Amino acid sequence: GAGVSQSPSNKVTEKGKDVELRCDPISGHTALYWYRQSLGQGLEFLIYFQGNSAPDKSGLPSDRFSAERTGGSVSTLTIQRTQQEDSAVYLCASSSQGQGLSETQYFGPGTRLLVL
Amino acid sequence: AQTVTQSQPEMSVQEAETVTLSCTYDTSESDYYLFWYKQPPSRQMILVIRQEAYKQQNATENRFSVNFQKAAKSFSLKISDSQLGDAAMYFCAYSPNTGNQFYFGTGTSLTVIP
Repeated sequence: GAGVSQSPSNKVTEKGKDVELRCDPISGHTALYWYRQSLGQGLEFLIYFQGNSAPDKSGLPSDRFSAERTGGSVSTLTIQRTQQEDSAVYLCASSSQGQGLSETQYFGPGTRLLVL
Repeated sequence: AQTVTQSQPEMSVQEAETVTLSCTYDTSESDYYLFWYKQPPSRQMILVIRQEAYKQQNATENRFSVNFQKAAKSFSLKISDSQLGDAAMYFCAYSPNTGNQFYFGTGTSLTVIP
């Protein structure tokens, strides 16, 4: 596709429910990142996928957060038993990252999650 | 630890004037990349400019340029001839050449006054 897409654009859920956020990276991009952006804050790294390698999950804030990337393309970020503090904008980015290189990331429009 | 600091939460500039947004970072690495991203109200993060640490020459992209001071670990963004469309949140980011992660500052909200 022309750019990174994310769905849904907005999600309202009740505390305790599970949510799934989807990211479609730019075709051919091997690297995919998830970030969380809370109100008035910068971007907080959550998880990184690179090709078929094991993902870097070091940024996930708790075991309620998980992510998958199927077929090296689409990624889903799942938050189980959502809490009000999970309310934020979740941004996905992809890059054509080669090994040991740091390439420019292209961001999606984000999913704004509100946990009531 | 690698951190990025943007000490100006908010800045404003008159249309057609020049403004400089500051960014400092902390790292023990010698090879890395620095970025400025723009996030308008639409939330779409857009790359403004990128600098490789091994390059001494400051990056320039049309009206946007950087002042990269490696020894001081400073990476400021200068916007010349500011336009109304430049109004946005600006994030400075750092990425080590050997790692996967990007580290972002907390952002500077830029207002352009007509």
